[in-house]
Amino acid sequence: NAGVTQTPKFQVLKTGQSMTLQCAQDMNHNSMYWYRQDPGMGLRLIYYSASEGTTDKGEVPNGYNVSRLNKREFSLRLESAAPSQTSVYFCASSDKAGQPQHFGDGTRLSIL
Amino acid sequence: GENVEQHPSTLSVQEGDSAVIKCTYSDSASNYFPWYKQELGKRPQLIIDIRSNVGEKKDQRIAVTLNKTAKHFSLHITETQPEDSAVYFCAAKESGGSYQLTFGKGTKLSVIP
Repeated sequence: NAGVTQTPKFQVLKTGQSMTLQCAQDMNHNSMYWYRQDPGMGLRLIYYSASEGTTDKGEVPNGYNVSRLNKREFSLRLESAAPSQTSVYFCASSDKAGQPQHFGDGTRLSIL
Repeated sequence: GENVEQHPSTLSVQEGDSAVIKCTYSDSASNYFPWYKQELGKRPQLIIDIRSNVGEKKDQRIAVTLNKTAKHFSLHITETQPEDSAVYFCAAKESGGSYQLTFGKGTKLSVIP
């Protein structure tokens, strides 16, 4: 049982490049989330998908887009990467609101 | 929106002592409060959670207490061990049908052997 799987694990981009971070879960969860983690800032919600076919903005959505491809997969896209988007990105899933969220191993993204 | 404050930011204890981490929240209608442990370079992992209809919950050496009137909740770790060393995050779920968890900024716990 893999849980939440994120790819890639590491990535280095140049300013202005685009990239899609992939996330898949095998727990049959309805809800999926994207967070970024910066030193001293905790985890901040970028976007979430309450259920298949829906997406909503979180606390820090600017510069990102998401796609809930199906119930298993939720991708995060950076259209024009900026150095301020250097961070560790975590995907998570839960059965529904107010239920425990399970996290993936994260993607460490550096933008030069 | 919800605002969660977490204290202290760093905490050092001797092995075998107890550790307490405190969080306050702003939305009095928040109803779900999880705690996550994150070891260096690893994913956050849920260690315990509590809902607003419960005042205390315990799981072996870990307990969480919730004071709704004062809008704060605390994590208690007893008989600390070196493997408890990690960063701990509290979080609160906004009220109603919200899916958003708001996290505190974390507490780095060091257990000294």
